[in-house]
Amino acid sequence: GAVVSQHPSWVICKSGTSVKIECRSLDFQATTMFWYRQFPKQSLMLMATSNEGSKATYEQGVEKDKFLINHASLTLSTLTVTSAHPEDSSFYICSARNSSDEQFFGPGTRLTVL
Amino acid sequence: RKEVEQDPGPFNVPEGATVAFNCTYSNSASQSFFWYRQDCRKEPKLLMSVYSSGNEDGRFTAQLNRASQYISLLIRDSKLSDSATYLCVVNSMEYGNKLVFGAGTILRVKS
Repeated sequence: GAVVSQHPSWVICKSGTSVKIECRSLDFQATTMFWYRQFPKQSLMLMATSNEGSKATYEQGVEKDKFLINHASLTLSTLTVTSAHPEDSSFYICSARNSSDEQFFGPGTRLTVL
Repeated sequence: RKEVEQDPGPFNVPEGATVAFNCTYSNSASQSFFWYRQDCRKEPKLLMSVYSSGNEDGRFTAQLNRASQYISLLIRDSKLSDSATYLCVVNSMEYGNKLVFGAGTILRVKS
């Protein structure tokens, strides 16, 4: 199946710093990528839909100025958590959708904010 | 009401047992249905799509009841390696062609 990578796989940072997470589709082009967040024992919650060459669409309650999304190419989307705080600690997962409408998930990034 | 609801479990079963999970969804216009498997601290992986006629993949059988807005997953001859969280997932153009995840059902298969 298709491969989606994420980098870094885990990150620990101090409160107030910004963290950038990359999501890449390695063997297909993805006009649409999605960013999810998952807290312990909870379901994946969609944060935003990232469209190549245009602005991301954020879900209700997700601050677009705090979670900056850039989808500059058909194989790369980035999520930047700005001024991270401990409550932002979570498992961030991206997915990429191919031309057949199938969605493939990256391995996730575990963020811990101290 | 949650868009996709599942019994969180956990379901604790012995090896070789048959176990069934259920899921209900609230949007009658939902079009696509899936079961994903998620292992601890890992990303979800597609287990199988769910079709109206029901479908089977080895030990796994999925069924869809559109009238009751209900999806099921049956696992026969459970293996230790089946231990995971099973996520019921729904897609609808009304959701903007986005996947909506249930919170998952935990399965623990014991020897």
